[in-house]
Amino acid sequence: DAGVTQSPTHLIKTRGQQVTLRCSPISGHKSVSWYQQVLGQGPQFIFQYYEKEERGRGNFPDRFSARQFPNYSSELNVNALLLGDSALYLCASSSRQQRPQGETQYFGPGTRLLVL
Amino acid sequence: GDSVTQMEGPVTLSEEAFLTINCTYTATGYPSLFWYVQYPGEGLQLLLKATKADDKGSNKGFEATYRKETTSFHLEKGSVQVSDSAVYFCALTYQTGANNLFFGTGTRLTVIP
Repeated sequence: DAGVTQSPTHLIKTRGQQVTLRCSPISGHKSVSWYQQVLGQGPQFIFQYYEKEERGRGNFPDRFSARQFPNYSSELNVNALLLGDSALYLCASSSRQQRPQGETQYFGPGTRLLVL
Repeated sequence: GDSVTQMEGPVTLSEEAFLTINCTYTATGYPSLFWYVQYPGEGLQLLLKATKADDKGSNKGFEATYRKETTSFHLEKGSVQVSDSAVYFCALTYQTGANNLFFGTGTRLTVIP
């Protein structure tokens, strides 16, 4: 089975532009989460979606938005890009939103965004 | 708030050496704990997990035990290989509404032949 896929793999934008990143979860998974990983740091949670509804949001400005489609794929949008938005953006999928036994999230390879 | 503190890196070991990477956590409930590994230029791969106190997660020779009394989840491997060179992240998820992971800052491991 295919794992989590993300596109594009790399992206270069300039300050002030807008960007859309895409993610397809593992088949059968209904939950998608987005993380930002700045160089040298651990990933930081941005959003979680389950069944097309936002279920969680990290400490990120309103320039960041996301949505989930009926086929459970997801897009992350970032408006008015800043230099500090340069990072690896990771998508993760899992099958349920609530997981009393600590359900695993499976990560994609990420999209590397460079803002100049 | 919930947080994960990892041993500072980088760590450099010779092949077949013993590995320990320390991880402690702060959580207000009963989190599940994970170790993820990131190879150069790649995303995160789950290495192992433990969902309750005294559970031991293990995979590919790595193991970690969920210690509630010391709030720790240290990663160990008895004999590292060059192919283990990567960045290792300790993470927890707290069982609230959002299924989000809290990550440590990562520990870079380099294994030399």
